[in-house]
Amino acid sequence: KNQVEQSPQSLIILEGKNCTLQCNYTVSPFSNLRWYKQDTGRGPVSLTIMTFSENTKSNGRYTATLDADTKQSSLHITASQLSDSASYICVVDLQTGANNLFFGTGTRLTVIP
Amino acid sequence: TAGITQAPTSQILAAGRSMTLRCTQDMRHNAMYWYRQDLGLGLRLIHYSNTAGTTGKGEVPDGYSVSRANTDDFPLTLASAVPSQTSVYFCASSDMAEGDTQYFGPGTRLTVL
Repeated sequence: KNQVEQSPQSLIILEGKNCTLQCNYTVSPFSNLRWYKQDTGRGPVSLTIMTFSENTKSNGRYTATLDADTKQSSLHITASQLSDSASYICVVDLQTGANNLFFGTGTRLTVIP
Repeated sequence: TAGITQAPTSQILAAGRSMTLRCTQDMRHNAMYWYRQDLGLGLRLIHYSNTAGTTGKGEVPDGYSVSRANTDDFPLTLASAVPSQTSVYFCASSDMAEGDTQYFGPGTRLTVL
């Protein structure tokens, strides 16, 4: 069964600290793995996209890694800011097209001063 | 650029009534999607359209219908709402030229009583 699981479910960190969010998937065959950020009351916004052949992609303080062999991805946030408080969603594309995306339930990150 | 807009922002609807959620994009993306997001679950695809004039069923299509008369608009209709359709609905669009990255609207919060 194609699934995307994220951990932890929620996380609280101090401003300025780093954190890493995890994503494990069983989607196969997959073409892309994406990370989205969703602020409360807003739609998700794309942070990174990696093809199955890439193993890292950065977007400012956000760095995503991918290990296609173990079917794991992580999103590392460096020097967190209050504005990083949001849900982070891992999304895996089935090779058959953009209408075959599998969404994780997200990690709710809260950054406190 | 407005990107992708949805209306209404929120709505309370009596069970059995019909309603159309509106979605418009100004990015000339070929593909559009409707998702619902429920607490504890990942985004689930309701219907999609790969290009104007075509539509397809997603993971949870029952009770919903869509049309794609032109590139910009993709309305979602609930013919006879039921309480289980209480959710937050997100419209999204994508284009192959942008790696099929989906751009999401701000969402419509629907409560069916």
